[in-house]
Amino acid sequence: EAGVVQSPRYKIIEKKQPVAFWCNPISGHNTLYWYLQNLGQGPELLIRYENEEAVDDSQLPKDRFSAERLKGVDSTLKIQPAELGDSAVYLCASSFTLNTEAFFGQGTRLTVV
Amino acid sequence: AQRVTQPEKLLSVFKGAPVELKCNYSYSGSPELFWYVQYSRQRLQLLLRHISRESIKGFTADLNKGETSFHLKKPFAQEEDSAMYYCALGGSSNTGKLIFGQGTTLQVKP
Repeated sequence: EAGVVQSPRYKIIEKKQPVAFWCNPISGHNTLYWYLQNLGQGPELLIRYENEEAVDDSQLPKDRFSAERLKGVDSTLKIQPAELGDSAVYLCASSFTLNTEAFFGQGTRLTVV
Repeated sequence: AQRVTQPEKLLSVFKGAPVELKCNYSYSGSPELFWYVQYSRQRLQLLLRHISRESIKGFTADLNKGETSFHLKKPFAQEEDSAMYYCALGGSSNTGKLIFGQGTTLQVKP
């Protein structure tokens, strides 16, 4: 089993440009998470989905960030426009249900120049 | 406020030496504590969780509610234990959200 799949693995963009990250969770996992990991820090939750519903997006900067999980499977996280401070690793994770083990993807390393 | 503190950014030991990675937490409810590990060029993965009370790869961690700690221990470190270790806090009022510490890099020297 491939586990949680994220793409792209790396992305370099100029500031003010849009960018999108894609996540395919483990089959059958209802809960999907997007985490942000800044250099030298632990991951911080951006948004959590239960199936297609965003149930915790309190940490998502909604002025420039958006996310969707159509049909309760794959998810996309978008930034528009990107700022220099958005340079970080964006992690996707999934779990069978709430409070069960979360499995992480490899992450997408974003560099904004 | 809910918080996880890992006071050491880097812990360097020799092979065969005991290891203790410190983790302290702040949480008002009934906490669930986890240790995640990230080996070089690999994804973040669960090492152990306090409710299972398992020993994984020789590592153990005991939840001490009095000291609000969940330190990770191993009696004899191996070179393959070199990795980044994150302590994480969940719990009934977190509804699935994990709060991570800043991480500790464990370096096991030959």
